[in-house]
Amino acid sequence: NAGVTQTPKFQVLKTGQSMTLQCAQDMNHEYMSWYRQDPGMGLRLIHYSVGAGITDQGEVPNGYNVSRSTTEDFPLRLLSAAPSQTSVYFCASSYSSRYEAFFGQGTRLTVV
Amino acid sequence: AQSVTQPDIHITVSEGASLELRCNYSYGATPYLFWYVQSPGQGLQLLLKYFSGDTLVQGIKGFEAEFKRSQSSFNLRKPSVHWSDAAEYFCAVVDGNKLVFGAGTILRVKS
Repeated sequence: NAGVTQTPKFQVLKTGQSMTLQCAQDMNHEYMSWYRQDPGMGLRLIHYSVGAGITDQGEVPNGYNVSRSTTEDFPLRLLSAAPSQTSVYFCASSYSSRYEAFFGQGTRLTVV
Repeated sequence: AQSVTQPDIHITVSEGASLELRCNYSYGATPYLFWYVQSPGQGLQLLLKYFSGDTLVQGIKGFEAEFKRSQSSFNLRKPSVHWSDAAEYFCAVVDGNKLVFGAGTILRVKS
């Protein structure tokens, strides 16, 4: 099993550009989430989904969009990148928020 | 909203010494609590979890944690640290449909 796969691993964007971070899982998990990790701030929840067609905002949703058309995929879209979005992004999946979360390897994004 | 506090940003211990990482949570009922570990450049891996029952929980890699309701704490312990334990450790609590993480504690192991 591949688990949770994130692409790309590294990305550099210019301010104002848009892009999509991909996340796919092959464990048939209903619950998927996106976090950003910044030094000294731990992981902060951006958006999450409890199943296909259902998404909700986390702690820091501004500037990001998500959709969940299939159980397997949960892409994160940056609409107009800003330097404040420079961070490491992690996707995770689990049966629910109360079960072990499986994390991808992360995407390191730099916005210049 | 529920929250998790990890008071120590960095901790340095000697190899072979014991370790305790602190975690305090805010939650009225019995919380769902987790400890995760992140090695450099990697994603997070679950060490252990507490839902209910025995307040001393055993995890992988020789780690354990004790849930103390009276102190709102869920501290992580290991009797003898190995150099490979150097990593960042995160405590987390479930808040409805959300998993809320603490700021993390970076563990350094000196030989």
